[in-house]
Amino acid sequence: AQKVTQAQTEISVVEKEDVTLDCVYETRDTTYYLFWYKQPPSGELVFLIRRNSFDEQNEISGRYSWNFQKSTSSFNFTITASQVVDSAVYFCALRETSGSRLTFGEGTQLTVNP
Amino acid sequence: DTAVSQTPKYLVTQMGNDKSIKCEQNLGHDTMYWYKQDSKKFLKIMFSYNNKELIINETVPNRFSPKSPDKAHLNLHINSLELGDSAVYFCASSQEGPFYEQYFGPGTRLTVT
Repeated sequence: AQKVTQAQTEISVVEKEDVTLDCVYETRDTTYYLFWYKQPPSGELVFLIRRNSFDEQNEISGRYSWNFQKSTSSFNFTITASQVVDSAVYFCALRETSGSRLTFGEGTQLTVNP
Repeated sequence: DTAVSQTPKYLVTQMGNDKSIKCEQNLGHDTMYWYKQDSKKFLKIMFSYNNKELIINETVPNRFSPKSPDKAHLNLHINSLELGDSAVYFCASSQEGPFYEQYFGPGTRLTVT
C-alpha cells in the first residue's frame, strides 16, 4: 500500500532563512508520481510540482527547489530565502500508476517569522 | 472564471440534518474527487468519479452519497449529520490518468452542532 510520511509537523524559521521540508514515501509500484501542494492560511490547496518516478532530475523554480532521490524514497522541498508569504501547510502526495488514489502526507506547517 | 468552485463555503447545521455540497469545474476534466480534511489537516480521498462513473469509494459511511449529473459536476449529499462529520470538504478535478495534478476547489467548512 502506498504511504507518504512528512515527519516534520511544524517548522518555524526567520525570514530569509533556507528551509527544507522532508517527504518520504512507500510504494510497490515502479512507476508513480509525486506532488507537492501548498495550503496557505486562506485554505485553498495550490499545486506546486509534479515528478514522475523515471525523472530524478532536480527542479528549481525561483526560490523553490525539489530534490527527488529514488534510492532513499524521498522527495524533499527546499525554499531558499524564505518569506512571510511562504507560511503555509505543505503537503507531499503520491499516486501510483496502478491506483487511482492520491495519498497525502500529514503536512508540514511552515511559519516564516519577520 | 473560477476553475473549481464549491458551494456553500461555510455550512453550519445541527446533528441529524441532511445537507448537500455542490461542486463544478470548468476545466473540461474527466475526473472529479471529494476529499475530507479533518481538524489536524489530514487530507483523505472519499470518492472519485470519472465521466460520471464512480471509481473510488473509500470506507466512508453510507450516509455520504456523491452524485455526478454530468462530468462537470460532482455533488456530495450527507444524511443524518453527526458531530464527527465536521471538517473541511474539498472538491477536486483532473484530467484522466495518474500523471495529472488535481485542481482543488476552495473547500466547504462544515460544522455540525
